Amino acid sequence: GAVVSQHPSRVICKSGTSVKIECRSLDFQATTMFWYRQFPKQSLMLMATSNEGSKATYEQGVEKDKFLINHASLTLSTLTVTSAHPEDSSFYICSAIYMGSYEQYFGPGTRLTVT
Amino acid sequence: QKEVEQNSGPLSVPEGAIASLNCTYSDRGSQSFFWYRQYSGKSPELIMSIYSNGDKEDGRFTAQLNKASQYVSLLIRDSQPSDSATYLCAVKVGAGSYQLTFGKGTKLSVIP
Repeated sequence: GAVVSQHPSRVICKSGTSVKIECRSLDFQATTMFWYRQFPKQSLMLMATSNEGSKATYEQGVEKDKFLINHASLTLSTLTVTSAHPEDSSFYICSAIYMGSYEQYFGPGTRLTVT
Repeated sequence: QKEVEQNSGPLSVPEGAIASLNCTYSDRGSQSFFWYRQYSGKSPELIMSIYSNGDKEDGRFTAQLNKASQYVSLLIRDSQPSDSATYLCAVKVGAGSYQLTFGKGTKLSVIP
């Protein structure tokens, strides 16, 4: 149990385009999901907290108009990187809270490369 | 600023030995603690959660919590080369939040 999937696993896009990443909890409902970013050899950086049916809460320094988050159902959250630039190239990872616990389960991550 | 500190390592242990990973945290009110394993190029995987003082065992893994000393550790018995990874300590932030504060991780290398 407690499986989280992400799609796509890898994506290459051109500068100026937008990319959507999906995060799904496969066998449980998740009222809260998180989006992280991790640059090579660095620690996880929390970008935003996504709550089902409400607006995401962004961490300081994260542009909400650039990183659009939608949590439309109890099993799906999406992150759209708009007008991507090479500096947005990173490893994006989502996590979901297993209901009734504080445990976060991570998706496998999406490696974004912007050319 | 609530902080979680870990020795970045690398920590090298021979195969079959006990690996001891340590973590300290600054928020005395923290109640929930987690250990994640992250292989290079992969996402974190939850290994253990611990909420009460003392030891919690799961297979070859033992988590130890000492709230008075604000210290949590992870012991890996009979270490295997497949245990080589970065281990992240995480502490739940505050009573009304599900957010975790992560340490920067300790890189463990198990030498065959």
